[in-house]
Amino acid sequence: GAVVSQHPSWVICKSGTSVKIECRSLDFQATTMFWYRQFPKQSLMLMATSNEGSKATYEQGVEKDKFLINHASLTLSTLTVTSAHPEDSSFYICSARDWRDDGEKLFFGSGTQLSVL
Amino acid sequence: RKEVEQDPGPFNVPEGATVAFNCTYSNSASQSFFWYRQDCRKEPKLLMSVYSSGNEDGRFTAQLNRASQYISLLIRDSKLSDSATYLCVVNELNYGGSQGNLIFGKGTKLSVKP
Repeated sequence: GAVVSQHPSWVICKSGTSVKIECRSLDFQATTMFWYRQFPKQSLMLMATSNEGSKATYEQGVEKDKFLINHASLTLSTLTVTSAHPEDSSFYICSARDWRDDGEKLFFGSGTQLSVL
Repeated sequence: RKEVEQDPGPFNVPEGATVAFNCTYSNSASQSFFWYRQDCRKEPKLLMSVYSSGNEDGRFTAQLNRASQYISLLIRDSKLSDSATYLCVVNELNYGGSQGNLIFGKGTKLSVKP
């Protein structure tokens, strides 16, 4: 079963509105979660590292004021795309690390397809 | 940013064929390597980790050549269900740190035909 839950799976919104995406670790505590973006036929690109109880670390070129990340608990990180525009339309995926018996594992959410009209 | 490059694809093969994917990485300090499988508009799923000694899991064999900074994935006896995009992923350690970022290749699309 899924160990990282991401909602919503898809969202269509008007230009200028804000969209919040949630990422939850279901059976483990995740002090660190990662947010990726994937444009069609492109690779996953890390946007930011979300740290529980502290500020997120953003990758170069990612606007922190546009992509707000909140990691208020050990099981929940949210990504808010503020004032979304059509160029923000993309597939957004979160992931979280956990240490299992056979080593460190990275678990992905199921992704959110964002379409901005 | 350091790069991870893969065969462009797409690979269109008949059922039962053997197919190989290649991947090169530019950061010689990279420590961990993986192959992920991604279906259309789905999250990537770990297929296998890649070890220096090479490793095999059923029909899948992964190889790592550190000297050439090269990773490969071999799929034998292809099934229709193998159709997907295969992503080469490298854990690029931050200099002096213990946490790294995963760098994803663009992926190679495989289509297995009846």
